[in-house]
Amino acid sequence: NAGVTQTPKFRILKIGQSMTLQCAQDMNHNYMYWYRQDPGMGLKLIYYSVGAGITDKGEVPNGYNVSRSTTEDFPLRLELAAPSQTSVYFCASSTYPQGIREQYFGPGTRLTVT
Amino acid sequence: AQTVTQSQPEMSVQEAETVTLSCTYDTSENNYYLFWYKQPPSRQMILVIRQEAYKQQNATENRFSVNFQKAAKSFSLKISDSQLGDTAMYFCAFMKQRDNYGQNFVFGPGTRLSVLP
Repeated sequence: NAGVTQTPKFRILKIGQSMTLQCAQDMNHNYMYWYRQDPGMGLKLIYYSVGAGITDKGEVPNGYNVSRSTTEDFPLRLELAAPSQTSVYFCASSTYPQGIREQYFGPGTRLTVT
Repeated sequence: AQTVTQSQPEMSVQEAETVTLSCTYDTSENNYYLFWYKQPPSRQMILVIRQEAYKQQNATENRFSVNFQKAAKSFSLKISDSQLGDTAMYFCAFMKQRDNYGQNFVFGPGTRLSVLP
């Protein structure tokens, strides 16, 4: 199994541009999550999904959108990028609701908005 | 709202020695989960150990163990026989048991641990 994969690893965006961060998992996990990690900080939940076709907001959803058309994929869309969205983004998945079992994390995407 | 505090931004330990990382949290909940995650320079997040609040026995995983003091709201991580590969950021995290969908999974700010040869 490849586990959780994320692309790209690095990206630089100009203010106002849009992009999609890709996340895929091959473990048949129902639950998937997007986090952001700002410098020197812990992770904050952006969006999560409990299965294909079902998504919901986390703690910091503003400026982002997600979709979950398949069990495997959970892309994160940034519309009108802003400097405040400069961060490292992690995708994660689990077989159970978050916390009851461990989450598997992807390697992260480092995004810079200038 | 729950908060998680890690009062040691950075720590170092000699290889083969023991180190303890501190974590305190604030909650009015009685049932919850606590976690320690490791983030090495590769930035991958790796679960180190998990503790259910209803269990009085402290969790252990090989060289990693916790000292869970529920009344004091303390959840420290002890790493025995430290290895160079333990060098990483360590995050303490809290989650309410009733919150099944991750809306309240709270991370601390992290402790950067360096294991010195």
